[in-house]
Amino acid sequence: DAGVTQSPTHLIKTRGQQVTLRCSPKSGHDTVSWYQQALGQGPQFIFQYYEEEERQRGNFPDRFSGHQFPNYSSELNVNALLLGDSALYLCASSLDRGGNSPLHFGNGTRLTVT
Amino acid sequence: QKEVEQNSGPLSVPEGAIASLNCTYSDRGSQSFFWYRQYSGKSPELIMSIYSNGDKEDGRFTAQLNKASQYVSLLIRDSQPSDSATYLCAVNGGGATNKLIFGTGTLLAVQP
Repeated sequence: DAGVTQSPTHLIKTRGQQVTLRCSPKSGHDTVSWYQQALGQGPQFIFQYYEEEERQRGNFPDRFSGHQFPNYSSELNVNALLLGDSALYLCASSLDRGGNSPLHFGNGTRLTVT
Repeated sequence: QKEVEQNSGPLSVPEGAIASLNCTYSDRGSQSFFWYRQYSGKSPELIMSIYSNGDKEDGRFTAQLNKASQYVSLLIRDSQPSDSATYLCAVNGGGATNKLIFGTGTLLAVQP
């Protein structure tokens, strides 16, 4: 049973560029959440997708956008990259959006902005 | 601002000892509490969830929840060097959803 898969594993971009990160949820999961984890910090919630719509959003600017496809996979797009966007980006899936539904994380995408 | 607080450590314990990790949270409306383990350079791995006051045991791990004190803890019995990692406390951000607020994590070092 495949878990949450993310691609690419690592990415190096230049300031001002745009990036797209991809995520496939665990089998049977229909809800995808994205988190940003800076070095030495806990993950911070970016947004959550369910039924192909953004359902909740954290305190991130509009440069961060996403999409969910009919097969529940998801993309995270970041425009006009800043040095401060360098972080580990984590995708998590869950059975549903309920408060008791644990998140299962993928291996993450390490983004470096130079 | 809803917050989750953890001591960043490092918490150093000898092999075979009990490691005690603590976490406090600010939102009284939180209903779900999770502990994740994160090895260096890896992603968080769910190890425990707890939803009601009291203790919940799973193998060498025991999670404890006290909603009145807004306090969650994780005990690791018979600590092993392989338990050395950062332990993240996560609390659902209020309401009925599973949006999580994470602490900054406690680094545990188990000495052989």
